[in-house]
Amino acid sequence: QSVLTQPPSVSAAPGQKVTISCSGSSSNIGNAYVSWYQQLPGTAPKLLIYDNNKRPSGIPDRFSGSKSGTSATLGITGLQAGDEATYYCGTWDTTLSTGHVVFGGGTKLTFL
Amino acid sequence: QVQLVQSGAEVKKPGASVKVSCKASGFTFTRHYIHWVRQAPGQGLEWMGKINPSGSSTSYAQKFQGRVTMTRDTSTNTAYLELSSLRFEDTAIYYCARDMEEFSSAARFDSWGQGTLVTVSS
Repeated sequence: QSVLTQPPSVSAAPGQKVTISCSGSSSNIGNAYVSWYQQLPGTAPKLLIYDNNKRPSGIPDRFSGSKSGTSATLGITGLQAGDEATYYCGTWDTTLSTGHVVFGGGTKLTFL
Repeated sequence: QVQLVQSGAEVKKPGASVKVSCKASGFTFTRHYIHWVRQAPGQGLEWMGKINPSGSSTSYAQKFQGRVTMTRDTSTNTAYLELSSLRFEDTAIYYCARDMEEFSSAARFDSWGQGTLVTVSS
């Protein structure tokens, strides 16, 4: 059971737009920045979004992030074949005194 | 370019220990936190802990306290993860990851190693 809640899967057609939600609490998303990662099969995760809505160099603006309260959302527009992957949200959680990083369970994006 | 290269796959028996290495290049190793994240087969990401840029301080996930040791050798730009008292459920891919901003531990993992598969089998 992951601390952050994501839908297990989403489906969309190539060229369309999809959003992936990530729900947490005041001890994590509510008081920390959120990052999003893309993991293609058999590869390491890749940073897509950090600080809720910033894109690292090289990440196309088809990928966007937002946060409101204790939830965050990843948006992907103009879906392409290479976007079929599993997406994870992550952030700090301050439930324990030392703090720790928590991730969502992952959302698998598949094409219709 | 920034690169993290990890050691090869390991097969261990229950109760044994494993040590995974993560060699860094392309950036100033002594300015970035290194985190370790694992992924069991078909499962999600699980954070294990972090080590500060100088190697003088570590923070471990509560789940692994007492079994995990993270170190780093600044002379060879290599970070290490050692996990002891291995159990079948420790079978996973273990990743090292760099925290993006210098001297900051904000959990922005902008570079990842290729992963090391650790299999615990009798």
